[in-house]
Amino acid sequence: AQSVAQPEDQVNVAEGNPLTVKCTYSVSGNPYLFWYVQYPNRGLQFLLKYITGDNLVKGSYGFEAEFNKSQTSFHLKKPSALVSDSALYFCAVRDILSSNTGKLIFGQGTTLQVKP
Amino acid sequence: DTAVSQTPKYLVTQMGNDKSIKCEQNLGHDTMYWYKQDSKKFLKIMFSYNNKELIINETVPNRFSPKSPDKAHLNLHINSLELGDSAVYFCASSSNEKLFFGSGTQLSVL
Repeated sequence: AQSVAQPEDQVNVAEGNPLTVKCTYSVSGNPYLFWYVQYPNRGLQFLLKYITGDNLVKGSYGFEAEFNKSQTSFHLKKPSALVSDSALYFCAVRDILSSNTGKLIFGQGTTLQVKP
Repeated sequence: DTAVSQTPKYLVTQMGNDKSIKCEQNLGHDTMYWYKQDSKKFLKIMFSYNNKELIINETVPNRFSPKSPDKAHLNLHINSLELGDSAVYFCASSSNEKLFFGSGTQLSVL
């Protein structure tokens, strides 16, 4: 079965420090991987995606993610965290059993708390 | 100029009632979705429509009936509401492997 896991319910980091939000995946074949962010009382917003190509993917708001096939991971990173980055982050994988490109399987979410 | 808009934002109702949530997108996308986010923030797809045709129905109870009058609209009607239906419902549309979400409808069934 296809799945993604976000092992941390919450990540705390001080403003200005680097941040990492972890994600591992389990799919057969080549994964299509995504990160989305949800601010309070808002819908999810797309951050970045990995389909193919360079393992380091750059996205919105200074975020990037590194695809690591051997470790089946797709961790989200940012060199210097901002208080405004505090939000709920979701990793997702496209359901390759469906031809529908919007059918995503989401992880359980990680709350990022950036303290001043 | 909101891209994906859904109404109402909040919906509080009694068990057994019937309610609808409306969604509209002005992005020109062909495919629209309903996702459900439970109290633990877990997100799961419910339905997907492509150009007014149902293409995904994820074992959702048949009390839930989506309707797409045109490709810019996907409404969700729920009959005989139950306590377990309480959640946040998100409408979305997609293009180029990206989902665009509405801001959600928080449904509370009392």
